[in-house]
Amino acid sequence: NAGVTQTPKFRILKIGQSMTLQCTQDMNHNYMYWYRQDPGMGLKLIYYSVGAGITDKGEVPNGYNVSRSTTEDFPLRLELAAPSQTSVYFCASSPEHPPLHFGNGTRLTVT
Amino acid sequence: EDKVVQSPLSLVVHEGDTVTLNCSYEVTNFRSLLWYKQEKKAPTFLFMLTSSGIEKKSGRLSSILDKKELSSILNITATQTGDSAIYLCAVISTSGTYKYIFGTGTRLKVLA
Repeated sequence: NAGVTQTPKFRILKIGQSMTLQCTQDMNHNYMYWYRQDPGMGLKLIYYSVGAGITDKGEVPNGYNVSRSTTEDFPLRLELAAPSQTSVYFCASSPEHPPLHFGNGTRLTVT
Repeated sequence: EDKVVQSPLSLVVHEGDTVTLNCSYEVTNFRSLLWYKQEKKAPTFLFMLTSSGIEKKSGRLSSILDKKELSSILNITATQTGDSAIYLCAVISTSGTYKYIFGTGTRLKVLA
Protein backbone atom coordinates (compact mmCIF):
# COMPACT_ATOMS: atom_id res chain seq x y z
CA ASN A 1 0.00 0.00 0.00
CA ALA A 2 2.78 2.44 -1.03
CA GLY A 3 0.70 5.20 -2.72
CA VAL A 4 2.93 8.06 -3.93
CA THR A 5 6.64 7.62 -3.21
CA GLN A 6 9.17 10.44 -3.48
CA THR A 7 12.94 10.21 -3.29
CA PRO A 8 15.13 11.58 -1.88
CA LYS A 9 13.63 12.95 1.35
CA PHE A 10 16.32 15.61 1.71
CA ARG A 11 18.98 17.04 -0.57
CA ILE A 12 21.49 19.87 -0.46
CA LEU A 13 22.71 21.19 -3.80
CA LYS A 14 25.30 23.75 -4.74
CA ILE A 15 24.32 26.55 -7.11
CA GLY A 16 24.54 25.35 -10.71
CA GLN A 17 24.27 21.64 -9.93
CA SER A 18 21.51 19.53 -11.39
CA MET A 19 19.37 16.77 -9.94
CA THR A 20 16.23 14.73 -10.50
CA LEU A 21 13.50 14.35 -7.93
CA GLN A 22 11.87 10.98 -8.33
CA CYS A 23 8.14 10.29 -7.99
CA THR A 24 6.35 7.01 -8.51
CA GLN A 25 2.79 5.91 -7.77
CA ASP A 26 1.27 2.45 -7.70
CA MET A 27 -2.41 3.40 -7.91
CA ASN A 28 -2.61 3.50 -11.72
CA HIS A 29 -3.57 7.18 -11.63
CA ASN A 30 -3.48 9.08 -14.90
CA TYR A 31 -3.06 12.54 -13.38
CA MET A 32 0.22 13.48 -11.73
CA TYR A 33 1.44 16.83 -10.38
CA TRP A 34 4.51 18.53 -9.00
CA TYR A 35 4.08 21.30 -6.43
CA ARG A 36 6.51 23.38 -4.46
CA GLN A 37 5.71 24.75 -1.04
CA ASP A 38 7.53 27.77 0.30
CA PRO A 39 6.93 29.03 3.86
CA GLY A 40 3.65 30.94 4.04
CA MET A 41 3.08 30.60 0.31
CA GLY A 42 0.88 27.55 -0.04
CA LEU A 43 1.38 25.06 -2.85
CA LYS A 44 2.38 26.28 -6.31
CA LEU A 45 1.95 24.03 -9.33
CA ILE A 46 5.16 23.46 -11.30
CA TYR A 47 4.14 20.87 -13.92
CA TYR A 48 1.38 18.35 -14.36
CA SER A 49 0.57 15.39 -16.57
CA VAL A 50 -2.76 13.89 -17.61
CA GLY A 51 -1.24 10.65 -18.87
CA ALA A 52 1.89 8.97 -20.17
CA GLY A 53 3.54 11.11 -22.82
CA ILE A 54 1.55 14.25 -21.94
CA THR A 55 2.90 17.05 -19.75
CA ASP A 56 2.08 20.71 -19.32
CA LYS A 57 3.33 23.74 -17.42
CA GLY A 58 1.78 24.99 -14.22
CA GLU A 59 2.17 28.36 -12.51
CA VAL A 60 5.94 28.25 -11.83
CA PRO A 61 7.68 26.02 -14.42
CA ASN A 62 10.84 28.07 -15.02
CA GLY A 63 14.01 26.18 -14.10
CA TYR A 64 12.32 22.77 -14.15
CA ASN A 65 11.60 20.00 -16.63
CA VAL A 66 9.51 16.86 -16.46
CA SER A 67 8.85 13.71 -18.43
CA ARG A 68 6.17 11.04 -18.23
CA SER A 69 7.22 7.92 -20.06
CA THR A 70 5.09 5.58 -17.93
CA THR A 71 1.87 5.90 -15.94
CA GLU A 72 3.77 5.23 -12.71
CA ASP A 73 6.70 7.65 -12.89
CA PHE A 74 6.86 11.44 -13.08
CA PRO A 75 10.40 12.72 -12.40
CA LEU A 76 11.16 16.43 -11.95
CA ARG A 77 14.50 17.69 -13.25
CA LEU A 78 16.38 20.77 -12.02
CA GLU A 79 19.08 21.64 -14.54
CA LEU A 80 20.93 24.60 -12.97
CA ALA A 81 20.00 24.86 -9.33
CA ALA A 82 19.46 28.35 -7.93
CA PRO A 83 18.84 29.52 -4.32
CA SER A 84 15.28 30.47 -5.35
CA GLN A 85 14.59 26.76 -5.82
CA THR A 86 15.09 26.05 -2.14
CA SER A 87 11.72 24.64 -1.16
CA VAL A 88 9.76 21.54 -0.25
CA TYR A 89 8.60 19.65 -3.33
CA PHE A 90 5.49 17.51 -3.34
CA CYS A 91 4.45 15.04 -5.99
CA ALA A 92 0.77 14.10 -6.14
CA SER A 93 -1.51 11.91 -8.21
CA SER A 94 -5.21 11.38 -8.76
CA PRO A 95 -7.57 9.36 -10.90
CA GLU A 96 -10.03 11.26 -13.09
CA HIS A 97 -11.85 12.41 -9.95
CA PRO A 98 -10.55 14.07 -6.74
CA PRO A 99 -8.90 14.03 -4.32
CA LEU A 100 -5.18 14.39 -4.82
CA HIS A 101 -2.92 11.90 -3.08
CA PHE A 102 0.39 13.37 -1.98
CA GLY A 103 3.84 11.94 -1.45
CA ASN A 104 5.80 12.84 1.69
CA GLY A 105 7.84 15.53 -0.03
CA THR A 106 11.47 16.30 -0.78
CA ARG A 107 13.17 19.09 1.15
CA LEU A 108 15.70 20.75 -1.15
CA THR A 109 18.25 23.36 -0.13
CA VAL A 110 20.38 25.17 -2.72
CA THR A 111 23.43 27.00 -1.35
CA GLU B 1 -6.27 34.81 -12.80
CA ASP B 2 -7.65 32.06 -10.58
CA LYS B 3 -7.13 32.76 -6.91
CA VAL B 4 -7.79 31.10 -3.54
CA VAL B 5 -7.40 33.12 -0.34
CA GLN B 6 -7.44 31.71 3.18
CA SER B 7 -7.82 33.53 6.47
CA PRO B 8 -6.55 33.90 9.05
CA LEU B 9 -2.96 33.06 8.14
CA SER B 10 -2.34 31.74 11.62
CA LEU B 11 -4.31 31.11 14.76
CA VAL B 12 -3.45 30.09 18.33
CA VAL B 13 -6.20 28.68 20.55
CA HIS B 14 -6.53 26.62 23.71
CA GLU B 15 -7.80 23.07 23.89
CA GLY B 16 -11.58 22.97 23.89
CA ASP B 17 -12.01 26.13 21.84
CA THR B 18 -13.97 26.20 18.58
CA VAL B 19 -12.27 27.59 15.50
CA THR B 20 -13.51 28.70 12.09
CA LEU B 21 -11.18 28.81 9.12
CA ASN B 22 -12.12 30.67 5.95
CA CYS B 23 -11.46 30.09 2.28
CA SER B 24 -12.61 32.36 -0.55
CA TYR B 25 -12.05 31.82 -4.24
CA GLU B 26 -12.19 33.45 -7.65
CA VAL B 27 -11.95 30.82 -10.35
CA THR B 28 -13.49 30.24 -13.71
CA ASN B 29 -15.50 27.05 -14.12
CA PHE B 30 -15.59 26.04 -10.47
CA ARG B 31 -15.88 22.30 -10.02
CA SER B 32 -15.25 21.56 -6.34
CA LEU B 33 -13.46 22.72 -3.19
CA LEU B 34 -11.27 20.53 -1.01
CA TRP B 35 -9.86 20.85 2.49
CA TYR B 36 -6.57 19.22 3.48
CA LYS B 37 -4.74 18.92 6.80
CA GLN B 38 -0.94 19.12 6.73
CA GLU B 39 1.06 18.10 9.75
CA LYS B 40 4.73 17.38 9.32
CA LYS B 41 4.69 15.84 5.86
CA ALA B 42 2.11 15.28 3.13
CA PRO B 43 -1.27 17.00 3.13
CA THR B 44 -4.06 14.56 3.96
CA PHE B 45 -7.54 14.88 2.52
CA LEU B 46 -10.40 15.99 4.79
CA PHE B 47 -13.44 17.00 2.73
CA MET B 48 -14.63 17.72 -0.76
CA LEU B 49 -17.55 20.09 -1.40
CA THR B 50 -19.38 20.46 -4.69
CA SER B 51 -22.53 22.06 -5.98
CA SER B 52 -24.42 18.90 -5.04
CA GLY B 53 -22.73 18.42 -1.67
CA ILE B 54 -22.30 21.73 0.08
CA GLU B 55 -21.97 20.50 3.66
CA LYS B 56 -19.78 17.78 5.11
CA LYS B 57 -19.16 16.62 8.67
CA SER B 58 -16.74 14.19 10.23
CA GLY B 59 -16.54 14.01 14.00
CA ARG B 60 -15.52 17.42 15.33
CA LEU B 61 -14.81 18.82 11.86
CA SER B 62 -17.40 20.25 9.53
CA SER B 63 -17.34 22.33 6.38
CA ILE B 64 -19.83 24.36 4.37
CA LEU B 65 -19.63 25.71 0.83
CA ASP B 66 -21.35 29.01 0.02
CA LYS B 67 -21.52 29.18 -3.78
CA LYS B 68 -23.17 32.58 -3.72
CA GLU B 69 -20.38 34.12 -1.63
CA LEU B 70 -17.69 31.99 -3.36
CA SER B 71 -16.35 30.81 -0.04
CA SER B 72 -16.13 27.94 2.40
CA ILE B 73 -15.58 27.57 6.11
CA LEU B 74 -13.99 24.75 8.07
CA ASN B 75 -15.15 24.45 11.68
CA ILE B 76 -13.35 22.50 14.35
CA THR B 77 -15.13 22.12 17.68
CA ALA B 78 -13.59 21.09 21.01
CA THR B 79 -10.09 21.48 19.59
CA GLN B 80 -7.30 19.15 20.70
CA THR B 81 -3.52 19.51 20.47
CA GLY B 82 -3.61 16.93 17.65
CA ASP B 83 -5.52 19.42 15.54
CA SER B 84 -2.39 21.59 15.34
CA ALA B 85 -1.51 21.69 11.64
CA ILE B 86 -1.69 23.75 8.50
CA TYR B 87 -5.12 23.59 6.91
CA LEU B 88 -5.11 23.97 3.15
CA CYS B 89 -8.01 24.86 0.90
CA ALA B 90 -7.91 23.92 -2.79
CA VAL B 91 -10.31 24.63 -5.60
CA ILE B 92 -10.59 22.56 -8.75
CA SER B 93 -11.08 24.56 -11.91
CA THR B 94 -11.86 22.95 -15.22
CA SER B 95 -11.11 26.03 -17.34
CA GLY B 96 -9.20 24.32 -20.11
CA THR B 97 -7.25 22.01 -17.85
CA TYR B 98 -7.89 20.00 -14.73
CA LYS B 99 -6.00 21.88 -12.02
CA TYR B 100 -6.04 22.23 -8.27
CA ILE B 101 -5.43 25.79 -7.03
CA PHE B 102 -4.27 26.00 -3.43
CA GLY B 103 -4.55 28.80 -0.92
CA THR B 104 -1.67 29.78 1.36
CA GLY B 105 -3.06 27.78 4.24
CA THR B 106 -4.01 28.58 7.84
CA ARG B 107 -1.53 27.52 10.51
CA LEU B 108 -3.45 26.40 13.59
CA LYS B 109 -1.75 25.84 16.94
CA VAL B 110 -3.75 24.36 19.80
CA LEU B 111 -2.26 24.84 23.26
CA ALA B 112 -2.85 22.34 26.06
